Amino acid sequence: DTGVSQNPRHKITKRGQNVTFRCDPISEHNRLYWYRQTLGQGPEFLTYFQNEAQLEKSRLLSDRFSAERPKGSFSTLEIQRTEQGDSAMYLCASSLGLAGRETQYFGPGTRLLVL
Amino acid sequence: GDSVTQMEGPVTLSEEAFLTINCTYTATGYPSLFWYVQYPGEGLQLLLKATKADDKGSNKGFEATYRKETTSFHLEKGSVQVSDSAVYFCALTAPYNTNAGKSTFGDGTTLTVKP
Repeated sequence: DTGVSQNPRHKITKRGQNVTFRCDPISEHNRLYWYRQTLGQGPEFLTYFQNEAQLEKSRLLSDRFSAERPKGSFSTLEIQRTEQGDSAMYLCASSLGLAGRETQYFGPGTRLLVL
Repeated sequence: GDSVTQMEGPVTLSEEAFLTINCTYTATGYPSLFWYVQYPGEGLQLLLKATKADDKGSNKGFEATYRKETTSFHLEKGSVQVSDSAVYFCALTAPYNTNAGKSTFGDGTTLTVKP
């Protein structure tokens, strides 16, 4: 399967712990996006990379959150000192083409539960 | 900022009924418009898209027309099936430089189709 993959699919952690999620985009895609989705809501934009450069971060992304895409391929999203409010589905998407016109392909998501 | 407003759900229909899910948007410039579908436990899948005014996106019997004059992108299907039961998200992507590619989503509409 050559779609977007995310690991782990589920993560349960205790408040205050650090967690890291990984996203592997479709191989030739140059853009990679992270979104957060809470129950009953649509996905909210967190951050986006073009190749290895992080070009935009939402104000939703507090300083406890950091994302990297070191070689322009896979990306990691780390949350430090997790809080119960961080419980959500974290979605990754990738795309190729003219910004704003291309289709974003979504991964299955990582569901985080902070106890 | 950009926003997407979707018809509130949930929507419950009998098999073979006609479906309309309303979507209106606010954006600067000329966004691309998308409908995504999310089945239980899965990530978002692109259902259809339109990138300019009067374009009609279609897929699997679903259709939506980009109406700039009414800033709308309503989703329709002539005859729904039980397998169409899912959450549907309307989204836009604005092509300006600083926001290039990031999507803004509605809150989703849950569709249940009964046999």
